[in-house]
Order: sequence, then C-alpha cells, then structure tokens
Amino acid sequence: SQKIEQNSEALNIQEGKTATLTCNYTNYSPAYLQWYRQDPGRGPVFLLLIRENEKEKRKERLKVTFDTTLKQSLFHITASQPADSATYLCALPRSNDYKLSFGAGTTVTVRA
Amino acid sequence: EAQVTQNPRYLITVTGKKLTVTCSQNMNHEYMSWYRQDPGLGLRQIYYSMNVEVTDKGDVPEGYKVSRKEKRNFPLILESPSPNQTSLYFCASSQGIADTEAFFGQGTRLTVV
Repeated sequence: SQKIEQNSEALNIQEGKTATLTCNYTNYSPAYLQWYRQDPGRGPVFLLLIRENEKEKRKERLKVTFDTTLKQSLFHITASQPADSATYLCALPRSNDYKLSFGAGTTVTVRA
Repeated sequence: EAQVTQNPRYLITVTGKKLTVTCSQNMNHEYMSWYRQDPGLGLRQIYYSMNVEVTDKGDVPEGYKVSRKEKRNFPLILESPSPNQTSLYFCASSQGIADTEAFFGQGTRLTVV
C-alpha cells in the first residue's frame, strides 16, 4: 500500500538556524509534491508545489527538494524565526486515483 | 479575497441528532472535498466532488453524506452522529484534483457526546 512518512518527532530549533524536514514515500510515483503549513486548530495553508523535473524550488526562506530516486522530499526553513513554529505537512497524489494524500506532519518549534 | 468558509467553527451535539456543516468557496473551483483530522492520523478524506452533482467516497465515508447542488457549496451531513465522529473537520477546494494548491476552510471542531 502507499505510505507517506514525515519526521516522526517534533523538531525544536534555535532561532536563526535551518530546520530540515523530510517526507519519504513508498509505492508512489508522484509527478509533483506539495507542502503545507498548519497552525493549531486552523486549516492547512499551501506553501509550495514541486514537480518531478524541478529537483529544487525556493520561496523566500523556504527551499524544497524532490528526489524521485530516493522517493524523498526535503523541506528547509532557513534563518528560522519563532513565527515559523507550526506543523508542516507534505502531500502527494495517489497513483490509482490522483487524489491528494497527506502525511501526518512534523511540528516545528523555533526558540527565540 | 479567495476563501473557503465553513460553519460552524465549533459544535457540540448529542448522539443521533442530525447536523450539517456548511462549506462555501468563492473561487469557482470544480473540486471540493471534506477531511477529518485526528491526532496521529493526519488528514483523511471523507468525500469529494469533481463538480456539481458529482460526488464520491473518500477514505473514511461511513456515517457521512454530502451534496453538491451548486458549484460553490458542499455541505457535510451527519445523519446520526456518534462519539467516534468527534474530530476536527476541514473543507477544501481546488481547481484541479491534486496538481494545484488546495484552499482549506478554517475548520469545524465537532464534539459528539
């Protein structure tokens, strides 16, 4: 069966450092992958979509990589700030019906 | 402003009392879906709709109904709520199924006692 795995533990980092989150998937062959941010009790907010031929994509202090050989996406938050504290979800389309499936998320806490 | 609006935000109800959670989007999106989110389980899709009058089951449809009579609205109906339906619910819309960003509502926290 298809499976999406994100960092199983919460990530605590010091302000100014880089946070790196992983999203591993099995039994998928996605043409693209998405990342969302979710604050407690609120709906996810779209951050980035990366396609299989893009390898890397940036948006302000965010960087996403997509390695279809390793079946992995890395999500980096550089120069992290306390306002970056949130849960980050990766999502990818399922092979059989192309519907978006979400990982369980990684909670990031940035300490001032 | 592009948005997905859910109501109510919070709801406490008793077992068996029918309820409806409304969802409306103003982006003329064809694809809409409902998710529930439970601790440790992530977002799970309940139902989705590809367009008006076209709906289909997601991964956890038992105990839920939906309708899509207008493009902008996609209500979620619980005919006979049970305590295991206590959860945080999100409505989402997007232009495509998964290759475009999904816009989520602010969530409905439902408690069934």
